[in-house]
Amino acid sequence: GNSVTQMEGPVTLSEEAFLTINCTYTATGYPSLFWYVQYPGEGLQLLLKATKADDKGSNKGFEATYRKETTSFHLEKGSVQVSDSAVYFCALSDRISTGNQFYFGTGTSLTVIP
Amino acid sequence: NAGVTQTPKFQVLKTGQSMTLQCAQDMNHNSMYWYRQDPGMGLRLIYYSASEGTTDKGEVPNGYNVSRLNKREFSLRLESAAPSQTSVYFCASTKDRSSTEAFFGQGTRLTVV
Repeated sequence: GNSVTQMEGPVTLSEEAFLTINCTYTATGYPSLFWYVQYPGEGLQLLLKATKADDKGSNKGFEATYRKETTSFHLEKGSVQVSDSAVYFCALSDRISTGNQFYFGTGTSLTVIP
Repeated sequence: NAGVTQTPKFQVLKTGQSMTLQCAQDMNHNSMYWYRQDPGMGLRLIYYSASEGTTDKGEVPNGYNVSRLNKREFSLRLESAAPSQTSVYFCASTKDRSSTEAFFGQGTRLTVV
């Protein structure tokens, strides 16, 4: 079946530090991969996505590359800011007979301190 | 520019009470979804509606019912609330059944005592 595993948090970093949040997946087909971000008290927002192997998604300084050989989609940012403090969810979308089914990881809480 | 709107934002219920969570989207999307979010478990799919007039069970449908009232609205009903249904509920929509980008509402925090 399909599943997403991401590193457990919480993660605490100093401002301008390098961020990596690991994500690996299991899928039966050819999924699309996503990172969503959830700020306190808000819903999930799409941060970036990649729809096929070797694609790189990027947005707001965050990047993730779809690695089929290692079934991974790790999130990286070179220099985090306090405003990046949020919960990050890795997700995949796989086609089923009635549409797309989404599978989410458990979320990684990031706190960036000044 | 509202996107996906959920009501209410917060609710406290007593065990055995019923309630309906409302969700509406203004993006002319065909597919809509209900998820619950629990600590350490990510989001789990309760029900979804691939298109107007159809609904299907997700991963955790027990204790819930849904209604796709029209293209815009997709409601989630708890007939007899239980403490195990204490959670944050998110509604989401996608353009169509093949679209891979989901748009989420702000969530409903439900506590069952």
